[in-house]
Amino acid sequence: GNSVTQMEGPVTLSEEAFLTINCTYTATGYPSLFWYVQYPGEGLQLLLKATKADDKGSNKGFEATYRKETTSFHLEKGSVQVSDSAVYFCALTRAGGTSYGKLTFGQGTILTVHP
Amino acid sequence: EAGVTQFPSHSVIEKGQTVTLRCDPISGHDNLYWYRRVMGKEIKFLLHFVKESKQDESGMPNNRFLAERTGGTYSTLKVQPAELEDSGVYFCASSRRVDTQYFGPGTRLTVL
Repeated sequence: GNSVTQMEGPVTLSEEAFLTINCTYTATGYPSLFWYVQYPGEGLQLLLKATKADDKGSNKGFEATYRKETTSFHLEKGSVQVSDSAVYFCALTRAGGTSYGKLTFGQGTILTVHP
Repeated sequence: EAGVTQFPSHSVIEKGQTVTLRCDPISGHDNLYWYRRVMGKEIKFLLHFVKESKQDESGMPNNRFLAERTGGTYSTLKVQPAELEDSGVYFCASSRRVDTQYFGPGTRLTVL
């Protein structure tokens, strides 16, 4: 079956540091890949997505590249801010079939950014 | 445009009682999903509606859980009778396209 593995947290960084949160996946076919973010007290928000190999998703300074050869979708940001403190979830969905739309999530990574 | 809303935001019940969670999707979204996160583990899929029909209910844990979506608008998720292991956060999401889901804030369910 499909699965997503994220680097374990929590991750604690100083403001303006470089961020990488690793995400690898196991899936049949060609899944779509997502990063969701949950800020304190709020629901999940789609941060970025990529739907085919070598696509790069980007938003709010965050980037992730769909690497089929390494089955990875690592999240990066060059300079984090205190406001980026949140829980980050990597997820995938199959490209088709009856379970298309069913998101499979990683366990989430808590990020804390200090001033 | 209003986002996905869920009610209640928090529910505390005793084991054996019944609880009904409600989700109002974004207007015009035919796809509606339920997920839950139990005890800090990963978020797990429960089921997927397309309009009023259940497209995929492979994630429903057992027959104590009943989901409905009357008229293809809002959805309810009933847990009857609730057990301790049902505690967690229940998320609802909706989408027009299946690859871009918008999540609600979740309902935190505590079963004592």
